[in-house]
Amino acid sequence: DAKTTQPPSMDCAEGRAANLPCNHSTISGNEYVYWYRQIHSQGPQYIIHGLKNNETNEMASLIITEDRKSSTLILPHATLRDTAVYYCIVRARNQETSGSRLTFGEGTQLTVNP
Amino acid sequence: ETGVTQSPTHLIKTRGQQVTLRCSSQSGHNTVSWYQQALGQGPQFIFQYYREEENGRGNFPPRFSGLQFPNYSSELNVNALELDDSALYLCASSPKTWDRPQETQYFGPGTRLLVL
Repeated sequence: DAKTTQPPSMDCAEGRAANLPCNHSTISGNEYVYWYRQIHSQGPQYIIHGLKNNETNEMASLIITEDRKSSTLILPHATLRDTAVYYCIVRARNQETSGSRLTFGEGTQLTVNP
Repeated sequence: ETGVTQSPTHLIKTRGQQVTLRCSSQSGHNTVSWYQQALGQGPQFIFQYYREEENGRGNFPPRFSGLQFPNYSSELNVNALELDDSALYLCASSPKTWDRPQETQYFGPGTRLLVL
């Protein structure tokens, strides 16, 4: 799976949009971009994923650049409860012999301030 | 709430002991993955079980073993515990099928293991 690079920390004001960047310059054509977040001492929570088109759900939007070498997770109106570590993960289509593992990096600690 | 449950929530063991952690997958999910998360780090993949067989393993020694049962629940067993095994152990389930292998994994709350 391709390696990802994220800033270690970011701050955002409550009510503002939080834009979390991720670089994945070695991504290959069959690899998806996944985003998870982990609130302190809880299990990671799935947010969104995409292959090459932009995606939106009730939690967030995912913008993937045309060359697919980077992406941005957007939380449109951040709240204090969005304070968490956000993980960007690039994951190949499942290899049946190796298991569909998620390879987590260090993530970005997002702090939403009142 | 993902519907994935884990037990116990917390556990304290001493070095050299053995431990069994349990996971119940979300309804309809046939695949269970286990991860270890040391303090301040991201989760690391231990192994995955699909239809009661191991289907992929990370860089963990053989003293980490697992089982999956016909109801798709799973156990993680760790023998000869070491101090470095202290971590949050996470279970994730997914509804993998042969024609839709790229399925999202949903995590449980984890079991926090402390080895003294």
